[in-house]
Amino acid sequence: EVQLLESGGGLVQPGGSLRLSCAASGFTFSSYAMTWVRQAPGKGLEWVSAISDRADGTYYADSVKGRFTISRDNSKNTLYLQMNSLRAEDTAVYYCAKGAGAVIAFLLVEYWGQGNLVTVSS
Amino acid sequence: IVLTQSPGTLSLSPGERATLSCRASQSVSNRYLAWYQQKPGQAPRLLIYGASSRATGIADRFSGSGSGTDFTLTISRLEPEDFAVYYCQQYGSSPLTFGQGTKVEIK
Repeated sequence: EVQLLESGGGLVQPGGSLRLSCAASGFTFSSYAMTWVRQAPGKGLEWVSAISDRADGTYYADSVKGRFTISRDNSKNTLYLQMNSLRAEDTAVYYCAKGAGAVIAFLLVEYWGQGNLVTVSS
Repeated sequence: IVLTQSPGTLSLSPGERATLSCRASQSVSNRYLAWYQQKPGQAPRLLIYGASSRATGIADRFSGSGSGTDFTLTISRLEPEDFAVYYCQQYGSSPLTFGQGTKVEIK
């Protein structure tokens, strides 16, 4: 059974930083692209970033480009999202999700974690 | 690609048929269109991919159709557990984009 467990969220001040982690199990983590999707309170889904299986390809939404960095440690079956220069509009539940393939092109989001709330407020 | 879902809210009774629409601002390549179901406080769940293929474990009352810019999710007979928000998403071009969602509520 695919399991994705996010951690690292919480309250942070505007301009601050936070690193989200996602521990994966139940599949061969190193063989699949991974992605982050967020959902602001009461709003719809917004794709944030994706990374290929071997981390040789990454992609970011314009809204986070230059501020967020996606990475992975295949030896630890863990996905990360480093978030810097946080803004109030980054407040959301952040979902870690597994892609259906290895590459980030044509990335079908197959399984989702339960999400982790990030609140940016003073 | 901007995805526009309609209607915003669908009020139906259990046993009725639900038809949800997703229209894209430009053609979705290779029919790379997915549908997700999200219940309150839960993560989204993949229902349909490739416009018409059911994901593993999804009941056959869920079906998807369409191509190009117009796609449809049909729930043939609503069960109590089907009342939720449904999102379409295209993965044929970057960036990935989602529709704004259709809420299916109990009438």
